[in-house]
Amino acid sequence: DTGVSQNPRHKITKRGQNVTFRCDPISEHNRLYWYRQTLGQGPEFLTYFQNEAQLEKSRLLSDRFSAERPKGSFSTLEIQRTEQGDSAMYLCASTREGRRNTGELFFGEGSRLTVL
Amino acid sequence: TQLLEQSPQFLSIQEGENLTVYCNSSSVFSSLQWYRQEPGEGPVLLVTVVTGGEVKKLKRLTFQFGDARKDSSLHITAAQPGDTGLYLCAGVIGNAGKSTFGDGTTLTVKP
Repeated sequence: DTGVSQNPRHKITKRGQNVTFRCDPISEHNRLYWYRQTLGQGPEFLTYFQNEAQLEKSRLLSDRFSAERPKGSFSTLEIQRTEQGDSAMYLCASTREGRRNTGELFFGEGSRLTVL
Repeated sequence: TQLLEQSPQFLSIQEGENLTVYCNSSSVFSSLQWYRQEPGEGPVLLVTVVTGGEVKKLKRLTFQFGDARKDSSLHITAAQPGDTGLYLCAGVIGNAGKSTFGDGTTLTVKP
């Protein structure tokens, strides 16, 4: 399977614990995005990378959230000191940026976080 | 205020009926996408429109981009239960690197 891969698919944790999600994008894609989605809402932008550079981070994103893409391939999203409000589906998407950003995103299946 | 407003929020119809869902904004988009999402899965890209007035067809689905590139519609002909899902529109403003999503229309097609 050469699509976007995310793991774990499901994570249940207690409030205050740290969690980390991993995303493996489509191999030839140089852009990688993280979105968060809660029930009844559309995906909300968190951050994106072009190769290993983090180009934009949502102003709504708490300092407890950090993302890396150290070698321009896979990415990790870490949430420190989780809160119940962090419970959501965390979606990763990738795309190949060309001369013009078409906005076409290819999503993984998501990582669902439940904070108790 | 949501940048992209989708309507209706929920739609429940019988198999065989036609339907149209809408995506509206006060902003101009350089491109706009429609995605379909099933419960517990990530969104799947259906189509991209970039030119004002553009119409694209994908089997029973017809997508239209408004002349001013501020709105879009998705029309489904003879809906089938397999069309059930959350339909999301998303757009890129100018040279922005990110896409902004609407909150979607949840479609249920009853057999």
